[in-house]
Amino acid sequence: SAVISQKPSRDICQRGTSLTIQCQVDSQVTMMFWYRQQPGQSLTLIATANQGSEATYESGFVIDKFPISRPNLTFSTLTVSNMSPEDSSIYLCSVPGPGYTFGSGTRLTVV
Amino acid sequence: QQPVQSPQAVILREGEDAVINCSSSKALYSVHWYRQKHGEAPVFLMILLKGGEQKGHEKISASFNEKKQQSSLYLTASQLSYSGTYFCGTEDSGGYQKVTFGIGTKLQVIP
Repeated sequence: SAVISQKPSRDICQRGTSLTIQCQVDSQVTMMFWYRQQPGQSLTLIATANQGSEATYESGFVIDKFPISRPNLTFSTLTVSNMSPEDSSIYLCSVPGPGYTFGSGTRLTVV
Repeated sequence: QQPVQSPQAVILREGEDAVINCSSSKALYSVHWYRQKHGEAPVFLMILLKGGEQKGHEKISASFNEKKQQSSLYLTASQLSYSGTYFCGTEDSGGYQKVTFGIGTKLQVIP
């Protein structure tokens, strides 16, 4: 299975600022997924990132708030923009195949 | 649509067995099972495709009833290391599509 390096592992940010989360995969993958997990909760899909096309966002998530880049088949970034305390959560990237592998997660606290 | 998972929590003594259930109102292509320990990313356990095949290794196995859109995870002779939150995830179609996760089952194994 793939190995994913996710950075940063945690951050504390001021409201109104933005944070970019990076995921580097050790193999080429067509699709990458970005999830959000609030403490003690399930994983909620934010968007699907395909290389060479616009990301597909789930209901309740918009590109202006969570812009995604996918410059090649091994790398993706998720930006959390204009943050508010409600954005405090754990953000995880994931790649398929056949079981899905997750990055180690980014624990974001917005103050 | 989020699959329904039950029970939400269970406490076992070492050596006891447990069953975690997952159901969906939609036709499914596959069901995944993951375990997440506190502060860590979810880890893939197994995937079950259409066909009702039971899969697993040693003391953790699962089944998928395609007609009922239900899956069950069986933990036999539980060990302390089994503690964590178990998530089922469902795919509506094949081809490494997005996975929708249930709310999770918190399993605690005590001595």
